[in-house]
Amino acid sequence: KAGVTQTPRYLIKTRGQQVTLSCSPISGHRSVSWYQQTPGQGLQFLFEYFSETQRNKGNFPGRFSGRQFSNSRSEMNVSTLELGDSALYLCASRQAPNEKLFFGSGTQLSVL
Amino acid sequence: DQQVKQNSPSLSVQEGRISILNCDYTNSMFDYFLWYKKYPAEGPTFLISISSIKDKNEDGRFTVFLNKSAKHLSLHIVPSQPGDSAVYFCAASGANFGNEKLTFGTGTRLTIIP
Repeated sequence: KAGVTQTPRYLIKTRGQQVTLSCSPISGHRSVSWYQQTPGQGLQFLFEYFSETQRNKGNFPGRFSGRQFSNSRSEMNVSTLELGDSALYLCASRQAPNEKLFFGSGTQLSVL
Repeated sequence: DQQVKQNSPSLSVQEGRISILNCDYTNSMFDYFLWYKKYPAEGPTFLISISSIKDKNEDGRFTVFLNKSAKHLSLHIVPSQPGDSAVYFCAASGANFGNEKLTFGTGTRLTIIP
């Protein structure tokens, strides 16, 4: 089975731009979560989608948004990029509640 | 407010010895705990988990201990191997794991010295 796939792997943007990151979960997994990893902050939860509905949301500003499609693929959008948005963005999927998360390799976003 | 804390950013251990990674949490509603391991340029991979109804869970060289009264858990790796060098994240979840987000610690970088 293919793992969680995230595209692109690397992205360089400038302040004020917007960016869209993509995630394809493991086949059969209906839940997709997004996390931000920065040095010293660990993994910060952004949001989780299950069957196209947002089930949980972390403490991030409204510039961070996401969605999930009927095929369970998910996208995350960040608008009006700030320097502090530079981070590794990780997507994770799981088949159902009470299952562990499987992570993708992440998208490394650099904001200049 | 960091609800899951890993107070040691880094740890170095001789190959063959025991590695002990620690994690503290503040939220008494957490009742499911996991450890993830992360290599550079890769996503975290699940290592081992423990439910609050247990105080120990073992899987090969990896053992997780949970002390609920102290709100503390630890991961023991014995014997440590060079391939264990990675960043280890502790994570916790509430009673309804399927509907609760995982809260992660800041990670501990483990280096195994050959």
